Amino acid sequence: AQSVAQPEDQVNVAEGNPLTVKCTYSVSGNPYLFWYVQYPNRGLQFLLKYITGDNLVKGSYGFEAEFNKSQTSFHLKKPSALVSDSALYFCAVMWAGSYQLTFGKGTKLSVIP
Amino acid sequence: EAQVTQNPRYLITVTGKKLTVTCSQNMNHEYMSWYRQDPGLGLRQIYYSMNVEVTDKGDVPEGYKVSRKEKRNFPLILESPSPNQTSLYFCASTDGPNNEQFFGPGTRLTVL
Repeated sequence: AQSVAQPEDQVNVAEGNPLTVKCTYSVSGNPYLFWYVQYPNRGLQFLLKYITGDNLVKGSYGFEAEFNKSQTSFHLKKPSALVSDSALYFCAVMWAGSYQLTFGKGTKLSVIP
Repeated sequence: EAQVTQNPRYLITVTGKKLTVTCSQNMNHEYMSWYRQDPGLGLRQIYYSMNVEVTDKGDVPEGYKVSRKEKRNFPLILESPSPNQTSLYFCASTDGPNNEQFFGPGTRLTVL
């Protein structure tokens, strides 16, 4: 079965510092990979996706992620964190040919002023 | 405005009392899905639908039913709710499995 792991429940980073939120997935076929963000008391918002092509994908709000097939990872990054980036971040994976989207457990990002 | 709407947003009910959470999208999306969000477990897919009259089970379908009679609507039905179905529920839609999903605002359900 497909699975996705976010190894960190919480990530703390100082404002202005680079941030990384980690995501790894189980190996099986060709994955479609997504990052979503959830602000308090809100639904999820799409940040970025990897389907095929360039391993580095850029998304909303200055976020980017790198698909690493050998390490089966899709870590989310931002060069300079903002306090407003504080939220819950979810990695999700869908295998090509499947319609099931599997989410990680989420990582709470706190950006400290 | 393109959106996914859910009703009700908040619901407190008792064990065994049938309820329906409605979901509607105005983007003409073929694919719709229901998720539940629980602390420490992330989002888990309950059911999904690839088109009208086509539905399939997700990871946690037990105790839930869905229907897709029209393209825009995808109601979630709990015929006999139990306390372990207390959760935050999200509906989502997309125009393709490799495209972003648009999420509704969520329905917080409490079953006493």
